Amino acid sequence: DAKTTQPNSMESNEEEPVHLPCNHSTISGTDYIHWYRQLPSQGPEYVIHGLTSNVNNRMASLAIAEDRKSSTLILHRATLRDAAVYYCIRPNAGNNRKLIWGLGTSLAVNP
Amino acid sequence: EAQVTQNPRYLITVTGKKLTVTCSQNMNHEYMSWYRQDPGLGLRQIYYSMNVEVTDKGDVPEGYKVSRKEKRNFPLILESPSPNQTSLYFCASSRFGRETDTQYFGPGTRLTVL
Repeated sequence: DAKTTQPNSMESNEEEPVHLPCNHSTISGTDYIHWYRQLPSQGPEYVIHGLTSNVNNRMASLAIAEDRKSSTLILHRATLRDAAVYYCIRPNAGNNRKLIWGLGTSLAVNP
Repeated sequence: EAQVTQNPRYLITVTGKKLTVTCSQNMNHEYMSWYRQDPGLGLRQIYYSMNVEVTDKGDVPEGYKVSRKEKRNFPLILESPSPNQTSLYFCASSRFGRETDTQYFGPGTRLTVL
C-alpha cells in the first residue's frame, strides 16, 4: 500500500502560521486523511482528520484539495510546543480500520 | 483523566528472558493495539484486539504474543526476546477501532535486548 508523501523536515518561527503539505495521490474516494503528531519522548496524539471539505478544530485546520490528491495541515500560530513530528496518514486499501504510518515531517519552531 | 498507561517505560534485558509489557486504558475502549517504532521504518502494528478475547495479527507479529482477558488491559508478551526486538513500543486504544475513531497512545516503552 502506498504511504503518503511528506517533506522530511520543515522549520517555522514562533507565532507564524505553518503549512505542512502531504501528497496522497492514490487515496480512494471514501478514505479519510488523518493527521497525528508525536512530541519528543511521547506517544503520537491525534490532531485532525477529514474526507473532502476543510476541517477545523482547536489544534489545527485541514485543507483538502478538491481532487483529494493532497492536503495541508495548518497551524495558525506556531508555538514552541508545536515542535514535533507530524504524520499524514491514510488507511490501508484493503482494510480501512488500519492506518498506514509513514515517517512524517519533523517540524522545528524557532523562538 | 483519560489515558493509556504502559509499564515499564524503560527495560533492558537479555536474549531469551521472557518479559511482559503491560498496557491499560481507562476509557472503556473496545479496540486496543500494539505498535513498534524503529528509525527509518515508522510505526508498525504488531497485534490488535477488537474486544475481550478477540485478538489478531498486525504487520509484524513474529516473536510476540498478546492476550485480552479484560477490556482495560492488553499486555504484550515476548516469550524469548531477541536483539532485533530492541525498539520503542506503543500501546494504543480507540473506541471501536473504526477508521474515524481517534487513537489514544501510551507514553511508550523503550526496550533493549542484549
